[in-house]
Amino acid sequence: KQEVTQIPAALSVPEGENLVLNCSFTDSAIYNLQWFRQDPGKGLTSLLLIQSSQREQTSGRLNASLDKSSGRSTLYIAASQPGDSATYLCAVLNYNTDKLIFGTGTRLQVFP
Amino acid sequence: ETGVTQSPTHLIKTRGQQVTLRCSSQSGHNTVSWYQQALGQGPQFIFQYYREEENGRGNFPPRFSGLQFPNYSSELNVNALELDDSALYLCASSLGAGPSNEQFFGPGTRLTVL
Repeated sequence: KQEVTQIPAALSVPEGENLVLNCSFTDSAIYNLQWFRQDPGKGLTSLLLIQSSQREQTSGRLNASLDKSSGRSTLYIAASQPGDSATYLCAVLNYNTDKLIFGTGTRLQVFP
Repeated sequence: ETGVTQSPTHLIKTRGQQVTLRCSSQSGHNTVSWYQQALGQGPQFIFQYYREEENGRGNFPPRFSGLQFPNYSSELNVNALELDDSALYLCASSLGAGPSNEQFFGPGTRLTVL
């Protein structure tokens, strides 16, 4: 059974810092991995989607990497801003179930 | 292009009641998936509808049921509400049911069961 874990559960950093969020998964038989942002009480906004054949994806200040063999992904946020404060969720799309399996998220606070 | 919309935004019910949540898929999308997100947790897959048929179900009891209509909008029905059903319910639509089809999420419906 696929399990997705995110570390740390919460993170508080000053504005301008570069930071790394971690995601690990137990079953490497995945189609893709996706990072989402969720503001309090709101829906999910897709940030980056990495196909299983890819190593990384970049969008602006965000870079996500995928190491399928070790079951790990990282989301790198450069020059963090207070507007980046949100919960970041990773999710994998499994071969077996063909459904998204989510981690519990990292709650990020960037203070001025 | 209209994104995924959900109604209502918030809902308060009492234990034992029934509730219906609604989702309108993004234009051109024929697949809708429903997720339950308890406070502090990641979303959990409930079920998916593809062209009006259920196409996969997560580990939820039968009192969670759904429908998809010819215009591909969808309903999630929950009978005999329990306190633990309090959560944010998210729907996501996609162009198809296969893994190559990215899911786009709506803003969610916050259900509180008292």
